[in-house]
Amino acid sequence: SAVISQKPSRDICQRGTSLTIQCQVDSQVTMMFWYRQQPGQSLTLIATANQGSEATYESGFVIDKFPISRPNLTFSTLTVSNMSPEDSSIYLCSVERDWGYGYTFGSGTRLTVV
Amino acid sequence: KNEVEQSPQNLTAQEGEFITINCSYSVGISALHWLQQHPGGGIVSLFMLSSGKKKHGRLIATINIQEKHSSLHITASHPRDSAVYICAVLGGGADGLTFGKGTHLIIQP
Repeated sequence: SAVISQKPSRDICQRGTSLTIQCQVDSQVTMMFWYRQQPGQSLTLIATANQGSEATYESGFVIDKFPISRPNLTFSTLTVSNMSPEDSSIYLCSVERDWGYGYTFGSGTRLTVV
Repeated sequence: KNEVEQSPQNLTAQEGEFITINCSYSVGISALHWLQQHPGGGIVSLFMLSSGKKKHGRLIATINIQEKHSSLHITASHPRDSAVYICAVLGGGADGLTFGKGTHLIIQP
């Protein structure tokens, strides 16, 4: 099954700046998912990233705020732009394993905006 | 949109106790996942179910498709089982997974 390396594991950022989160997968995958988990809340899907096409964003999330790159089948980045304290969350990437084997998640990025 | 409800939200038990965490969802699904989230935020996939029952070590997961309900059981619980357990469903009109809020489990020695 796929192994995901997610970086950074945590960061404290100033309001108004941007942070780029990287996910590297050890095998080629078609779709990568980006999630946000706000404190005390369930995970929420931000967008689905396919290689070679624009990411598909869920309601409430826009490309200007959360630009995503997917340059190849093993790598993706999510940028949190113009951050505010409300963006303080855990951000996770995920890929689907072969059918029947569930999903693999990155180790998460714990972001605090001050 | 699927609504995923977990119960209880918080559970504290003594080492050795039998643990049950419940999950219900509102719309038909193609699969249900049980995930374990550690304090640092990392998530491990425990089970993927579309019917019946699965067992892995001390963990057992069951699903009743007709009743739209799943349970995760932990036998002979241990302090290292302390984590947040999350139920997530696939299908019901959404891309990707829809997650419950999680059950925060603490096993005391």
